[in-house]
Amino acid sequence: DVKVTQSSRYLVKRTGEKVFLECVQDMDHENMFWYRQDPGLGLRLIYFSYDVKMKEKGDIPEGYSVSREKKERFSLILESASTNQTSMYLCASSFPQGDQAEAFFGQGTRLTVV
Amino acid sequence: KNEVEQSPQNLTAQEGEFITINCSYSVGISALHWLQQHPGGGIVSLFMLSSGKKKHGRLIATINIQEKHSSLHITASHPRDSAVYICAVEWGNTPLVFGKGTRLSVIA
Repeated sequence: DVKVTQSSRYLVKRTGEKVFLECVQDMDHENMFWYRQDPGLGLRLIYFSYDVKMKEKGDIPEGYSVSREKKERFSLILESASTNQTSMYLCASSFPQGDQAEAFFGQGTRLTVV
Repeated sequence: KNEVEQSPQNLTAQEGEFITINCSYSVGISALHWLQQHPGGGIVSLFMLSSGKKKHGRLIATINIQEKHSSLHITASHPRDSAVYICAVEWGNTPLVFGKGTRLSVIA
């Protein structure tokens, strides 16, 4: 039973292309996150959202933007893809319960920019 | 910002061995998460804990709030346990802060 779905597992794009990574969750979660994961660096937060049409920058937002038009969908946009954006991208969602929130992750999108 | 350190970075074990992975963090938290990532890339949540100990099958997670330290134990390890194990912490409703992960290989 898949709860967080990322639109692609593998993607190859050319430098300069506009790239959309889609993430959908079916748990009615308020919080959604986009991370990238690189060897030796772990998971780093790109953008997050706590509500529809709301977005916050994470630790490494440069070169990215996001869109949250509906509660269940959080899109990551690479405005002009560059080779240093080759990475594994992971989407997550969570629902706050008091001061804790269990996170659910998608399967990841391995993006290669050539 | 919280700093999360995991040790060891890499771990190779023989099937059946008892395994311990450690996680320490620098400031107070509301919860600590242990996550598992298999080679395909997807991440699953193993435990979320704020005190004491939790057990699920052969996996045990403990946390010492005073010492800002958590351990993940795997008893009777098996090759299917081979994965990257990631520790993450949160404070209130803020994004998780992750450790860099421990890559575990269990050899038959």
